[in-house]
Amino acid sequence: ETGVTQTPRHLVMGMTNKKSLKCEQHLGHNAMYWYKQSAKKPLELMFVYNFKEQTENNSVPSRFSPECPNSSHLFLHLHTLQPEDSALYLCARSQVGGEKLFFGSGTQLSVL
Amino acid sequence: GQSLEQPSEVTAVEGAIVQINCTYQTSGFYGLSWYQQHDGGAPTFLSYNGLDGLEETGRFSSFHSRSESYGYLLLQELQMKDSASYFCAVGQAGTALIFGKGTTLSVSS
Repeated sequence: ETGVTQTPRHLVMGMTNKKSLKCEQHLGHNAMYWYKQSAKKPLELMFVYNFKEQTENNSVPSRFSPECPNSSHLFLHLHTLQPEDSALYLCARSQVGGEKLFFGSGTQLSVL
Repeated sequence: GQSLEQPSEVTAVEGAIVQINCTYQTSGFYGLSWYQQHDGGAPTFLSYNGLDGLEETGRFSSFHSRSESYGYLLLQELQMKDSASYFCAVGQAGTALIFGKGTTLSVSS
């Protein structure tokens, strides 16, 4: 148990849909992350939030839009996605400046 | 930019010892971490080497040499449950981790 809960676990969406992924943690860690994991590729860092402020945007297309309303919740809003966006999307938390990441179980996204 | 290299696959038998190497190219000082991921699961933290040297935790050990930009994960007394993907990752304090492509370890009986 990593203290990070992601919903939904699985999501199938069409290219014209709008959906949101949710990540929740209640351990008081102030850094939260979105990673993308595609088959045969390394985990790709997408966004970083420190103390609710976005500190990194790793050249992610604008069809992915993150939101961090408070230190316990992180969202990834999705719209007009492409089939190549199908992947496992992982949320993680850490102490700010910490080297140890705690990952959620991820959302397996399929874009049709 | 930063890049990490690790073998894509390793196979071994139960009870054996396996070493998974990781080399990296970065522009500054980085700590080296290792994560384990079983099929269908999330990556879980195994170890972190902020300084040079060897860290031991049970059957797993991790080594890091900053001067050589190199490290390894050593798994001893392999068990079937150790079959998983292992990722090395680098990061400075205050920055997010960058991950390698992962090494798939298959342990057979």
